[in-house]
Amino acid sequence: DADVTQTPRNRITKTGKRIMLECSQTKGHDRMYWYRQDPGLGLRLIYYSFDVKDINKGEISDGYSVSRQAQAKFSLSLESAIPNQTALYFCATSSTHGRGSGELFFGEGSRLTVL
Amino acid sequence: SQKIEQNSEALNIQEGKTATLTCNYTNYSPAYLQWYRQDPGRGPVFLLLIRENEKEKRKERLKVTFDTTLKQSLFHITASQPADSATYLCALDRNSGTYKYIFGTGTRLKVLA
Repeated sequence: DADVTQTPRNRITKTGKRIMLECSQTKGHDRMYWYRQDPGLGLRLIYYSFDVKDINKGEISDGYSVSRQAQAKFSLSLESAIPNQTALYFCATSSTHGRGSGELFFGEGSRLTVL
Repeated sequence: SQKIEQNSEALNIQEGKTATLTCNYTNYSPAYLQWYRQDPGRGPVFLLLIRENEKEKRKERLKVTFDTTLKQSLFHITASQPADSATYLCALDRNSGTYKYIFGTGTRLKVLA
């Protein structure tokens, strides 16, 4: 099983619908992140969480919200999806413990299409 | 404004040669710089990390350099193989020590057999 699991892997929805992307991890890491990837724009940080009670906005948080339900779970919501939110979304984790320096472990991505 | 630049054009090289990819940044003072590999439709995979006080880091056929004066990192793959074909991303810790990484757009490498 993957260490960082994203569901769904693919989703097509319509403008105005509410969408939730879920991420769960078995790595025991304290930090979790949501990125979106668009051609030519690279990976951009949406939200990040350093522990269950610490959630922070990234570069492009408008139109998104997150919930850290447990250390292992971090979900991303689009309250009212719009077409320019069509992208590939990645969840990632990292640890601040031990000798790690924040290397990120990514899930396989969730491809979202908003029509 | 803060910016990370990687060559957006694809890099084609012959098998066995050394591939060199560039990551330039402006208006950052990163404590850490990372390189990732990404295959089509997959999540990025961590390759190497280099700290601001390190000039060079090696791992098998990979070598990374970090010049904080030039604000540049070079990523080398020696004895390249077709299996090395992928997109390579650099990422910086934007605010020293916060582990909040910002990514470049990546460079696509194709190694020709």
